Amino acid sequence: GAGVSQSPSNKVTEKGKDVELRCDPISGHTALYWYRQSLGQGLEFLIYFQGNSAPDKSGLPSDRFSAERTGGSVSTLTIQRTQQEDSAVYLCASSLVGGPNTGELFFGEGSRLTVL
Amino acid sequence: KQEVTQIPAALSVPEGENLVLNCSFTDSAIYNLQWFRQDPGKGLTSLLLIQSSQREQTSGRLNASLDKSSGRSTLYIAASQPGDSATYLCAVRDDKIIFGKGTRLHILP
Repeated sequence: GAGVSQSPSNKVTEKGKDVELRCDPISGHTALYWYRQSLGQGLEFLIYFQGNSAPDKSGLPSDRFSAERTGGSVSTLTIQRTQQEDSAVYLCASSLVGGPNTGELFFGEGSRLTVL
Repeated sequence: KQEVTQIPAALSVPEGENLVLNCSFTDSAIYNLQWFRQDPGKGLTSLLLIQSSQREQTSGRLNASLDKSSGRSTLYIAASQPGDSATYLCAVRDDKIIFGKGTRLHILP
């Protein structure tokens, strides 16, 4: 597609429910990143996918968070048993390549999650 | 551990003025640095990418410079306009991509 696409744009859920957030990166981009942005806070790294390599999961805050990337394209971030502190905007970004020779990073519009 | 700092956290200037936003980082071994803007409730829009071998990049009224040895980058905005009002973030890439917390810019009409 023309840009990074995320869905849903807004999600309101009840505490304890599971949610899935989707990211469709720019076609041909091998690197995909998930970040979290809480109100008034900076961007918090969650997970990074590069091609077929094992993902860098070092930023996932707990084992309730997981992500997968199917076929090297679309990625899904899953949050199980959501808590109120999970409320944030979840941002996805992609770049043509990752690592030292990376190109420009492009972001989607984000998915705003509200846990009641 | 790489740390990225942006000062000031907020800035208000009258329309038409030239201004400079600052970004500093603690580890000079970076691959590149990228500047973004973020409008309220929106994602990040890429402005300029500077590779580690470059000293500056220009796009329209924007000019970004990079001094790796001193761990600094600046974003220069010429002839500011109300539409430039946004939060500006810098991000450095070493093994990871680390973001500063941004400078919230308000251009006064």
